[in-house]
Amino acid sequence: QSVLTQPPSVSGTPGQRVTISCFGSNSNVGSNYVSWYQQLPGTAPKLLIFSTNQRPSGVPDRFSGSKSGTSASLAISGLRSDDEADYYCAAWDDSLSGAEVFGGGTKLIVL
Amino acid sequence: QVTLRESGPALVKPTQTLTLTCSVSGFSFSSPGTCVSWIRQPPGKALEWLARIDWDDERHYSTSLKTRLTISKDFSKDQVVLTMTNMDPVDTATYYCARIRIVRGLIPTYSYGMDVWGPGTTVIVSS
Repeated sequence: QSVLTQPPSVSGTPGQRVTISCFGSNSNVGSNYVSWYQQLPGTAPKLLIFSTNQRPSGVPDRFSGSKSGTSASLAISGLRSDDEADYYCAAWDDSLSGAEVFGGGTKLIVL
Repeated sequence: QVTLRESGPALVKPTQTLTLTCSVSGFSFSSPGTCVSWIRQPPGKALEWLARIDWDDERHYSTSLKTRLTISKDFSKDQVVLTMTNMDPVDTATYYCARIRIVRGLIPTYSYGMDVWGPGTTVIVSS
């Protein structure tokens, strides 16, 4: 059971915009920055968004992040077939002595 | 070029202790703000964060696994070592290490995310 809650799957057609939600609590999403990772099959995760809404160099601006209260979202616009992957959110959790927590992951299906 | 690479045994027996090594290059894990985390992923399941060691040797552990984990640095070899005791078949997973850079002193602590990951090493726990 992951600390952050994500939908198991979302789907969209090429060119569409989709969003993936990430629900947490005051001790993690509500009070810290959120990062998002893309994991293609058989590969290591790749950083997509850091500091809630910042993109590393090389990540297209089709990917954007936002947060409101204890929930965060990843939006992908202009959906492409090679966006089909698993997406994970993560945030630092201030409870106890501090730890990073991940969401359960969302499978993006491009129809 | 910043790289990380995990290494360790592919197979361990139940109750044994697992020792994994993360060899880094292209950066110094003693640079202020630089940290290395370990993350694992059981087959077909989600990512699970395990531990982090910071440039100043501050250490953080997963709440559920902290009694079994130890993270440390070997400066002479540019390596970060993770040990996990009392291995069980449920610990079968791909284990990753990743670099993360943070800025303490801000509220909240600023994070640049886990920006470089190793390819991962698969560990099977079986008798």
